[in-house]
Amino acid sequence: KNEVEQSPQNLTAQEGEFITINCSYSVGISALHWLQQHPGGGIVSLFMLSSGKKKHGRLIATINIQEKHSSLHITASHPRDSAVYICAVRSTDKLIFGTGTRLQVFP
Amino acid sequence: NAGVTQTPKFRILKIGQSMTLQCTQDMNHNYMYWYRQDPGMGLKLIYYSVGAGITDKGEVPNGYNVSRSTTEDFPLRLELAAPSQTSVYFCASSSGTVPYEQYFGPGTRLTVT
Repeated sequence: KNEVEQSPQNLTAQEGEFITINCSYSVGISALHWLQQHPGGGIVSLFMLSSGKKKHGRLIATINIQEKHSSLHITASHPRDSAVYICAVRSTDKLIFGTGTRLQVFP
Repeated sequence: NAGVTQTPKFRILKIGQSMTLQCTQDMNHNYMYWYRQDPGMGLKLIYYSVGAGITDKGEVPNGYNVSRSTTEDFPLRLELAAPSQTSVYFCASSSGTVPYEQYFGPGTRLTVT
């Protein structure tokens, strides 16, 4: 069993829909990261969370430390949100990555 | 700032050849990392460095070597390339302090045939 599990693996949506991507982990962590990998391959950091909730524009990330679970929400999804979203947890001084959720948003 | 740069972008190697993947960052970050990304798998840590002159193995170090002679550069050496090393390689850097954000290079797509 992977230490970081994401669901779903693949997700399709119509433009405007509310999107939720889930991440569960089984190790002790000091922080959790959400990353976005564009179709061209580049990876950018979206959020770093150690508790509670963060919001950037249409993106919202939450974490429940007791339940070892995090969610990434996208409100009013748009085709430009199409990407792979990766959850990674910080354990000691290294990141452990999930396998990613591939999101496609259609007009 | 250019951030993290990697060269080359693409490379095809024959089995048994060697090559060096270059990584440079201009953010004065102490921490640097090499990852590989295989289809359907999460990124796996190959090697990392917490400062010039200090390197350590990650999860999948076999078949690779690294050096860190300067803060800016962290090259990854492949000796005796094998088909199992076909992958996309990402270099990343971090200040090592809160918020521990890692900045990724654009990646190198390597095929070994």
